[in-house]
Amino acid sequence: AQSVAQPEDQVNVAEGNPLTVKCTYSVSGNPYLFWYVQYPNRGLQFLLKYITGDNLVKGSYGFEAEFNKSQTSFHLKKPSALVSDSALYFCAVRAVNAGNNRKLIWGLGTSLAVNP
Amino acid sequence: NAGVTQTPKFRVLKTGQSMTLLCAQDMNHEYMYWYRQDPGMGLRLIHYSVGEGTTAKGEVPDGYNVSRLKKQNFLLGLESAAPSQTSVYFCASSYEDRMGEKLFFGSGTQLSVL
Repeated sequence: AQSVAQPEDQVNVAEGNPLTVKCTYSVSGNPYLFWYVQYPNRGLQFLLKYITGDNLVKGSYGFEAEFNKSQTSFHLKKPSALVSDSALYFCAVRAVNAGNNRKLIWGLGTSLAVNP
Repeated sequence: NAGVTQTPKFRVLKTGQSMTLLCAQDMNHEYMYWYRQDPGMGLRLIHYSVGEGTTAKGEVPDGYNVSRLKKQNFLLGLESAAPSQTSVYFCASSYEDRMGEKLFFGSGTQLSVL
């Protein structure tokens, strides 16, 4: 069965420190992988995606994520956290050959709190 | 260019009442989705559409119906609301090219069923 795990419900970091939000997945075949961010009382916004190619993907707001096929992980990272990065982060996955099966598999989300 | 617009933003229903949530997108996207978001449950797909005139069931379709009569609109109906349908509902639209898919979300509808 396809699944996405975000093992940490909450991550706390100090402003200026590096941050990591973890995601591991299980999918049949090659995956499309995504990170989305949700600010309070807002819809989700796309951050970045891995389709193919370079394992290090750069996205919006200085975020990046590293695809690790052997560990089936796609951790989100940022070198220097900002207070404004505080939000809910979602990882999602879809099999490459899903065709018209539009079902993204979503993680439960990780709440990131960046302390001043 | 408004993106994805959901109406209404808030609604309170009594058990058994019906309502329709409207989603409109102005990006000419083929794919549209309805999700619900509940604490501890993440996002769950209710129904989706791969084009005008098409609909398909997601993970949690029971108690909901949808229609996509026009490409830009995707309607979610609750025929007889139940307290278990208290949730935040998000509509999304997307396109897919060789670079993959990117979803655009509306700002959500907070629904309470008493």
